[in-house]
Amino acid sequence: QVQLVESGGGVVQPGKSLRLSCAASKFTFTSFAMVWVRQAPGKGLEWVASISSDGNKKYYADSVKGRFTISRDNSKNTVDVQVSSLRGDDTAVYYCARQTLSCATISCFFDLWGQGTLVTVSS
Amino acid sequence: SYELTQPPSLSVSPGQTASITCSGDKLTEKYAFWYQQKPGQSPVLVIYQDRKRPSGIPERFSGSNSGNTATLTISDTQAVDEADYHCQAWDTPTSVVFGGGTRLTVL
Repeated sequence: QVQLVESGGGVVQPGKSLRLSCAASKFTFTSFAMVWVRQAPGKGLEWVASISSDGNKKYYADSVKGRFTISRDNSKNTVDVQVSSLRGDDTAVYYCARQTLSCATISCFFDLWGQGTLVTVSS
Repeated sequence: SYELTQPPSLSVSPGQTASITCSGDKLTEKYAFWYQQKPGQSPVLVIYQDRKRPSGIPERFSGSNSGNTATLTISDTQAVDEADYHCQAWDTPTSVVFGGGTRLTVL
């Protein structure tokens, strides 16, 4: 069925790096912008990064700018985020989500979410 | 940076109306979106562009946006509606902001 499946989470020491991946199935991946959203334990959602459908435009939250890098491989239907220089406050479930089609940016929303992958930053 | 403020929690009795607010400066000039998240699950869109319902979302879910406040209203609240609700808007055309989330308890 139409779905997103994240992988790559785990326990990592402060200062280290991790690569999270999201695999898309059963929809035309190349047509959609994609985002990563995270949720710290017991907290709300926090947008992390976005990437355009062609991969040429990338945007980041101030809290991760310079440390996280979003990318996509449209031949493999995957979107990744390289998370570096990890800190304790990066501990969260990381979700990838699909941004809806045919919308002016400020009217766009996220209509398909993965199940999330947990990143725990701990020494 | 732009902020959206939600009450941390709200309790209602079954059959009552739940109104969950989301406040932000001149929020009416933006669109508000609402996601429902049940424990251990991913978010699900329940309202988009202030007041539109995706297919499959019950009619008891409705939304409004006026002044500085967007409101998600759940009429005839049922036990199955117990969840966290998150509002979302666009700060700029390239950055997204979420509210802190509201835990709805149906007692």
